[in-house]
Amino acid sequence: TQTVSQSDAHVTVFEGDSVELRCNYSYGGSIYLSWYIQHHGRGLQFLLKYYSGNPVVQGVNGFEAEFSKSDSSFHLRKASVHWSDSAVYFCAVSGGYAQGLTFGLGTRVSVFP
Amino acid sequence: EAAVTQSPRSKVAVTGGKVTLSCHQTNNHDYMYWYRQDTGHGLRLIHYSYVADSTEKGDIPDGYKASRPSQENFSLILELASLSQTAVYFCASTGTGGTQNTLYFGAGTRLSVL
Repeated sequence: TQTVSQSDAHVTVFEGDSVELRCNYSYGGSIYLSWYIQHHGRGLQFLLKYYSGNPVVQGVNGFEAEFSKSDSSFHLRKASVHWSDSAVYFCAVSGGYAQGLTFGLGTRVSVFP
Repeated sequence: EAAVTQSPRSKVAVTGGKVTLSCHQTNNHDYMYWYRQDTGHGLRLIHYSYVADSTEKGDIPDGYKASRPSQENFSLILELASLSQTAVYFCASTGTGGTQNTLYFGAGTRLSVL
């Protein structure tokens, strides 16, 4: 059984600030880790994913995430947020594409001008 | 660009009625999924399919059936809709190779059961 924990339900930041969204997982085997963004009233959109190799992965719109096996974590970061980054962010894990993804509960990010 | 289209975008159904949610993808993907989203529960997998004419149960299949008549189409069927099935439903697809484990989502169907 795989589980995903996102410790922050809501994060508030100002435009230009940096932000880090935390994700911790539990899974016994090789996994895919990914982040998705959901703007209000929309479907989820892929941001980035990790399977192996360089533990820091770059995604769209300046997002990056870092995998840590020792901490069982895959935290998402952005150096300078924009108001359009206001959305809900979901961390997800998968042991293989046939099984689908298991999602965390999401972190809502509110960016103020 | 990869595309997943869901219909209808919103639906009001009566308790005990039959509801069919449709999903069409033009990604040429083999894998398709139905998730429901509820406040406080995130997204949960209902059914999925990796080939036409075959479906598999996800984590919360009770009360739902699925149908995959072709590679492009994947339907979710509620034979006897209940109040507890009020939620937003998302369809997604993924392929193999480079797109493996990257899900492409539709815009969602908001279902209200009264």
